[in-house]
Amino acid sequence: ELKVEQNPLFLSMQEGKNYTIYCNYSTTSDRLYWYRQDPGKSLESLFVLLSNGAVKQEGRLMASLDTKARLSTLHITAAVHDLSATYFCAVDNTGNQFYFGTGTSLTVIP
Amino acid sequence: KAGVTQTPRYLIKTRGQQVTLSCSPISGHRSVSWYQQTPGQGLQFLFEYFSETQRNKGNFPGRFSGRQFSNSRSEMNVSTLELGDSALYLCASSSSLRGGHNEQFFGPGTRLTVL
Repeated sequence: ELKVEQNPLFLSMQEGKNYTIYCNYSTTSDRLYWYRQDPGKSLESLFVLLSNGAVKQEGRLMASLDTKARLSTLHITAAVHDLSATYFCAVDNTGNQFYFGTGTSLTVIP
Repeated sequence: KAGVTQTPRYLIKTRGQQVTLSCSPISGHRSVSWYQQTPGQGLQFLFEYFSETQRNKGNFPGRFSGRQFSNSRSEMNVSTLELGDSALYLCASSSSLRGGHNEQFFGPGTRLTVL
């Protein structure tokens, strides 16, 4: 079974700082997704990465995919309080069966 | 375009009962997937339906079942409820065929509490 690991599990960072969340997965796939979840809410799609070397950016978030290393990163630049949420990566290697990481709970402190 | 809708949003049941959850996908989407989210196990895939057929199934007991109707709406059923079934059940829809790009759009979820 495909395993997806995220780290860190918890991240507390000050506003204005940069940080990276890592997502490692155990089997070959070139389809990786990042989602955001606010407390008590559903999952919001952030990025879709579909090939080796793919890089997507939206505001203060940038995601990348290295399929050879089976690694995706979500980089946060100059964090703001509004980015506080739980972030999940998900890998799809069979078609519509997503394997989710454990999630990274991000708290941005003023 | 309306998003994925799920009903009911909250449910309280007792052990041994059964429950049915409903999901209406985004218009035009033919694939519906179900996930269970718990603090201990995280997000786990239950099953996926496409054109009224179950196409993928996760590692859950037979008490968990689902179906999809011709209008792509889907239901999942849990029989003989156990305390451990308390969770947020999320439905996701996508438009793509197998092997293609399958971005999934999630509904608000149904919060099930088993007492």
